[in-house]
Amino acid sequence: QVQLQESGPGLVKPSQTLSLTCTVSGGSISSGSYYWSWVRQPAGKGLEWIGQIYISGSTNYNPSLKSRVTMSIDTSKNQFSLKLSSVTAADTAVYYCARRPNGGAVAYWGQGTLVTVSS
Amino acid sequence: DTQMTQSPSSLSASVGDRVTITCRASQSIAGYLNWYQQKPGKAPNLLIYAAYNLQSGVPSRFSGSGSGTDFTLTISSLQPEDFATYYCQQSYNTPLTFGGGTRVEIK
Repeated sequence: QVQLQESGPGLVKPSQTLSLTCTVSGGSISSGSYYWSWVRQPAGKGLEWIGQIYISGSTNYNPSLKSRVTMSIDTSKNQFSLKLSSVTAADTAVYYCARRPNGGAVAYWGQGTLVTVSS
Repeated sequence: DTQMTQSPSSLSASVGDRVTITCRASQSIAGYLNWYQQKPGKAPNLLIYAAYNLQSGVPSRFSGSGSGTDFTLTISSLQPEDFATYYCQQSYNTPLTFGGGTRVEIK
């Protein structure tokens, strides 16, 4: 059973860079044709897809965040990561990492981690 | 971007009721429509994928239908554990987009 776990600072100062890592267990991040994704959810609001990365390193980002987002993948550690630069209070949200097949639904989600942007 | 519009945004229903939630895409997404259930403080849970396929372990009272731009999630007989927020999501193209959610509350 694949499991995903987010980790990273829970508090980030405005204008700084938010950095999160998702550790995958129960399976190799290199196996299968999966996209490794990030989704966020501000408190009391809906879900927003941030982007995804494939094992080849190919990425797709939400145009609304594209200028500030960088994703990477580390097969040796079975991890993938998210960096979001120049954060503001509007970036305060629960951040989820997730896995989905190409064209498919997200069947595996991390438990989510709350990131608060505040000085 | 493909916009996803869910309705209603909230509803009140009783245990045993039949509940229907609709989702409309701003362009055709064929059958690339998924439904999730989310409870407070938890990650979303996949219920239906590719419009009508029941995810493993999901009760059969949940069903999905539709294609193109119009889709429906039906709960045939609402159970106490079904009170939650439901989201549709298109996986036809990027950026992936979600509906605004439907909160199902106890009547």
